[in-house]
Amino acid sequence: NAGVTQTPKFRILKIGQSMTLQCTQDMNHNYMYWYRQDPGMGLKLIYYSVGAGITDKGEVPNGYNVSRSTTEDFPLRLELAAPSQTSVYFCATSLGQGGYTFGSGTRLTVV
Amino acid sequence: GNSVTQMEGPVTLSEEAFLTINCTYTATGYPSLFWYVQYPGEGLQLLLKATKADDKGSNKGFEATYRKETTSFHLEKGSVQVSDSAVYFCALILTGGGNKLTFGTGTQLKVEL
Repeated sequence: NAGVTQTPKFRILKIGQSMTLQCTQDMNHNYMYWYRQDPGMGLKLIYYSVGAGITDKGEVPNGYNVSRSTTEDFPLRLELAAPSQTSVYFCATSLGQGGYTFGSGTRLTVV
Repeated sequence: GNSVTQMEGPVTLSEEAFLTINCTYTATGYPSLFWYVQYPGEGLQLLLKATKADDKGSNKGFEATYRKETTSFHLEKGSVQVSDSAVYFCALILTGGGNKLTFGTGTQLKVEL
């Protein structure tokens, strides 16, 4: 059982480039989340989804976009990468009672 | 708004020492409370949880009690091991509104022989 799979694990982007961080789950969870983790800052919610076709902004959505066309997939899109987006990105899923399952993360560096 | 405050780290302990990591919260309503653990290079894993006042969550020798009167959820372990070295996050959730977790900033624990 794979759980939550994130790809890629590492990526270096140049300023202004775009990329999509992939997140796929096989647990049939309705809720999916994208967080970023910066040193000493904990985790900040970027976007979340309560089910296929439904997404909403979190605490720090600027510079990002998401879509949720299926229950399984919740990709995060960066359109114009900036150095401030250098971070570790985590995707998570939940049945709705706070017991999140996290992916192993994507470490992104923007230079 | 909702927030979680954790003690500053890093915390360095000798093996078999007693561990306390303080966590207090502010919430509009009655949250469920959680401790997550992050080992180096990995994602977060649920360690324990408590869903109402006076509940005690426990797992792998760790315990935390939901104290509504002091709005606290301190993490404790009687005897830490080197393998407990990790970053610990306190978090809360309020039902509804996407069931979003609000995290504290994390406390790094290092256990030495």
